[in-house]
Amino acid sequence: GAGVSQSPRYKVTKRGQDVALRCDPISGHVSLYWYRQALGQGPEFLTYFNYEAQQDKSGLPNDRFSAERPEGSISTLTIQRTEQRDSAMYRCASSLAGNEQFFGPGTRLTVL
Amino acid sequence: SQQGEEDPQALSIQEGENATMNCSYKTSINNLQWYRQNSGRGLVHLILIRSNEREKHSGRLRVTLDTSKKSSSLLITASRAADTASYFCATPPRQGGSEKLVFGKGMKLTVNP
Repeated sequence: GAGVSQSPRYKVTKRGQDVALRCDPISGHVSLYWYRQALGQGPEFLTYFNYEAQQDKSGLPNDRFSAERPEGSISTLTIQRTEQRDSAMYRCASSLAGNEQFFGPGTRLTVL
Repeated sequence: SQQGEEDPQALSIQEGENATMNCSYKTSINNLQWYRQNSGRGLVHLILIRSNEREKHSGRLRVTLDTSKKSSSLLITASRAADTASYFCATPPRQGGSEKLVFGKGMKLTVNP
């Protein structure tokens, strides 16, 4: 079946604008994760869901970041009032609970 | 914060040679996972080793885990140019029961043809 998909693949926005990043996990995967990856670094955890419930949001940098997964499938990561420091690769992953995570191609966000 | 630290940070070898990467971590874990990231591409899961396992094989990959030393190694045998990538170890911290992965900074492997 299809892997994890993310859209858009690239997003360029102006500082102060809101952006919404979408993740479509592998069908049937219970858990969905959001990570952020700076150049030359490993992915850094943001938040994760089991089904529609947000289990851990300890990695969200501040209250401008939020995520939802209302029907337990597709998830949206929203960044309000974007700042230049938000520029990074945002990665989504899904898994059957407790097992390896399968990553999507990522969304490259650039805030001008 | 990062849990795993890969060592060395960069390695350059000739095709056909073996490559060994090491990972050290700080807290107790349930399992440790290795991922590969090719330039411009996504993260690909390579292998998962559980805390009660000491060694695991998958094709040309061999992973060991020493929980007493909080370390793991990834061995790639008979390397190929296509193995050129960044390699990350990642662990789900046992504390709190969260399934999030904590990644190291990664190790860049270059396999020269």
